[in-house]
Amino acid sequence: DAKTTQPPSMDCAEGRAANLPCNHSTISGNEYVYWYRQIHSQGPQYIIHGLKNNETNEMASLIITEDRKSSTLILPHATLRDTAVYYCIVRVAQGGSEKLVFGKGTKLTVNP
Amino acid sequence: DAGITQSPRHKVTETGTPVTLRCHQTENHRYMYWYRQDPGHGLRLIHYSYGVKDTDKGEVSDGYSVSRSKTEDFLLTLESATSSQTSVYFCATRDSRNYGYTFGSGTRLTVV
Repeated sequence: DAKTTQPPSMDCAEGRAANLPCNHSTISGNEYVYWYRQIHSQGPQYIIHGLKNNETNEMASLIITEDRKSSTLILPHATLRDTAVYYCIVRVAQGGSEKLVFGKGTKLTVNP
Repeated sequence: DAGITQSPRHKVTETGTPVTLRCHQTENHRYMYWYRQDPGHGLRLIHYSYGVKDTDKGEVSDGYSVSRSKTEDFLLTLESATSSQTSVYFCATRDSRNYGYTFGSGTRLTVV
């Protein structure tokens, strides 16, 4: 089962910051949080990941709470092309292998 | 992504027939995954591989088998296709040296 909880949908105005929350209260100390997005029926696209510290790249910022039980993905200046389903995922490690277990994600709609 | 090719991109098949989907990668990634995506369920892991001839089951493996005889190819087989296996199938890969997963463009399978 997915270890994350996200709101099913959110709206954001074009040019504004989009803040997508995620709860992962059962996360273990060595499990990473990943964010992916899926536009239409394309393959999921990697956005960012983190363990403890906040992370930033050219696409987004990831803010992880100190207790690691929740995180927020920030798209600083949302555009219409950012309309997609965003998945917050905890990478599960099992023995010598590991995998991503997806939840249902948040459908973000960026409005003009 | 240019490094992952899924074939075929679309397929219509009849109930009871065997079907094999192919995922081919040119990145020399160790880990490979097969997911299916259905409305209301997000992406669910079918099988994964952590090396040549090393595979394991995911959360929805019933009715599917996989094989990985060489690093670059991961095959998903439906021994006897059923209508419940109508879905979009995504392949993903990951290099053991980093944490990024790359997804293919998907195969849309319809079982009639």
